[in-house]
Amino acid sequence: KQEVTQIPAALSVPEGENLVLNCSFTDSAIYNLQWFRQDPGKGLTSLLLIQSSQREQTSGRLNASLDKSSGRSTLYIAASQPGDSATYLCAVKGLGSSGGYQKVTFGTGTKLQVIP
Amino acid sequence: EPEVTQTPSHQVTQMGQEVILRCVPISNHLYFYWYRQILGQKVEFLVSFYNNEISEKSEIFDDQFSVERPDGSNFTLKIRSTKLEDSAMYFCASRLSGGTDTQYFGPGTRLTVL
Repeated sequence: KQEVTQIPAALSVPEGENLVLNCSFTDSAIYNLQWFRQDPGKGLTSLLLIQSSQREQTSGRLNASLDKSSGRSTLYIAASQPGDSATYLCAVKGLGSSGGYQKVTFGTGTKLQVIP
Repeated sequence: EPEVTQTPSHQVTQMGQEVILRCVPISNHLYFYWYRQILGQKVEFLVSFYNNEISEKSEIFDDQFSVERPDGSNFTLKIRSTKLEDSAMYFCASRLSGGTDTQYFGPGTRLTVL
């Protein structure tokens, strides 16, 4: 059974700092990994998706890397801003009981606060 | 920009009652999903749906749950006889077939079972 863990659970940084969020998963037979942000009381916004054959993806100040063999992904946020304050979730798509890659397992989340 | 919509935003029901949560996925998407998030806990996968049938479901998705695409635009989640522990935020998501695998989420429906 896939388990996804995110460290740290919470993080508070001053504005302008670069930071790294970590995601680890127990079963390396994944199809892809997706990073989301979740604002309080809101839905999930997709940030980056990395296919299992890829090593990293970049979008603006965000860079996500994937090391499938070691079961790890990191999300790097450059020059953090107060608007980045949210909970960040990683989600792994893997093999389901039906034999297809449709089962998504979410991590526990990292709650980020960027202080002005 | 197209988005996934969900109604209602908040549903309050009595234990044992049936509820139907509604979602309108992005119009050209072909894969549809339901997730739930109990307050303070992880987002949990419930079910995926493609080509008018369930393609994957979790152990949470038991006989009390069902999904349907009654027309070309709506995607519904029905809970037949609600329990207190069904209280959660329910999210619908959709994605294209092939190409990018990015899932797009709706804002959620908060279900409160009394």
